[in-house]
Amino acid sequence: AAGVIQSPRHLIKEKRETATLKCYPIPRHDTVYWYQQGPGQDPQFLISFYEKMQSDKGSIPDRFSAQQFSDYHSELNMSSLELGDSALYFCASSSDEDEAFFGQGTRLTVV
Amino acid sequence: QKEVEQNSGPLSVPEGAIASLNCTYSDRGSQSFFWYRQYSGKSPELIMSIYSNGDKEDGRFTAQLNKASQYVSLLIRDSQPSDSATYLCAVNTLGGYNKLIFGAGTRLAVHP
Repeated sequence: AAGVIQSPRHLIKEKRETATLKCYPIPRHDTVYWYQQGPGQDPQFLISFYEKMQSDKGSIPDRFSAQQFSDYHSELNMSSLELGDSALYFCASSSDEDEAFFGQGTRLTVV
Repeated sequence: QKEVEQNSGPLSVPEGAIASLNCTYSDRGSQSFFWYRQYSGKSPELIMSIYSNGDKEDGRFTAQLNKASQYVSLLIRDSQPSDSATYLCAVNTLGGYNKLIFGAGTRLAVHP
């Protein structure tokens, strides 16, 4: 069965650079979530989209933005990167607020 | 108060024992409850979902929900060393549309 696909799997950026993370949800899933997980921490909700519209926002810094495109894939754009942005970034998708399934994540390292 | 609370552990149980993981949530209107298992450095993996009061069993796993007490638990019977992981409780809140909130996770260690 198709799963949530995230790219890239690993990304190394320097401070103040920009990063773009991509997420391809499970086919026919209408909801995409983005989470940030620091070392030893629980996943922190960043933002979600339902049917290509932003549906909720969590602790997402103003330096970050996201959108969901017509083909339902989503991108998380992160600008002016800081050392503290180093984390695992997970995307998850679900249908009708039901069970959410996660991608493998993108490990972002800011140096 | 966090929206979803779990004891961080570690919870240590011997192989073959029952592991009991607990979670409380603050939004009384929450309707959907999930348990995820996460191995270090990996993505969370859905293992159970529960929507109505009572017990739901799936193999060695049993989820229990008590909406009046705002409490959800996960029992793992015949615990195996491969069950050693962090277990995340997640709740779909009504306060925000399409927002799945996670607890901090309970680290389970099953020792031979």
